[in-house]
Amino acid sequence: NAGVTQTPKFQVLKTGQSMTLQCAQDMNHEYMSWYRQDPGMGLRLIHYSVGAGITDQGEVPNGYNVSRSTTEDFPLRLLSAAPSQTSVYFCASSRQGGQRGNTIYFGEGSWLTVV
Amino acid sequence: AQSVTQLGSHVSVSEGALVLLRCNYSSSVPPYLFWYVQYPNQGLQLLLKYTSAATLVKGINGFEAEFKKSETSFPLTKPSAHMSDAAEYFCAVSGLKGGSEKLVFGKGTKLTVNP
Repeated sequence: NAGVTQTPKFQVLKTGQSMTLQCAQDMNHEYMSWYRQDPGMGLRLIHYSVGAGITDQGEVPNGYNVSRSTTEDFPLRLLSAAPSQTSVYFCASSRQGGQRGNTIYFGEGSWLTVV
Repeated sequence: AQSVTQLGSHVSVSEGALVLLRCNYSSSVPPYLFWYVQYPNQGLQLLLKYTSAATLVKGINGFEAEFKKSETSFPLTKPSAHMSDAAEYFCAVSGLKGGSEKLVFGKGTKLTVNP
């Protein structure tokens, strides 16, 4: 049972480079999201999607881009990496359907360092 | 709007002692509340959730939490700490934005268990 799979697990980027963090889920979940985790800050929502072709901004969207062409995949793009984007990134998914309280399942994280 | 405050960024207990992690929430709608656990270098795993059924919620690994509406709190407890409970714990409240559900996380409490 794969659940939510993120790649890569570790990445070092130079300032100004671009890259894509991949996220895939095999649970047929409508809702997918990206969070970043920084020490003492908890998890903050970057972008989310309620279904293929629909995305929206979260709390800290600047410098990131997303798209949702299929139900399974939700990649996160860093357009021009900055040291402030050094963080641990988590992808998550859940069922939607207008029902509250659905469990959100998390991937194992992607550790990104921007030098 | 929803928000979560976790009281104490670090909690230390002895093995066999009571674990008590505090969480206060603010919500403009009836809250759904969650506790997640994160072991080192891993993703988040759901411990338990409150979704307006019983106020005392039992979760995995012997943890439980009680929804206290009058105090706007959702403390997490375990009667007897085990070394394997050492991890970071996150309280979260769900809210609706644009018809879809979001999780707002607290900043986390790191639990240390001393032998």
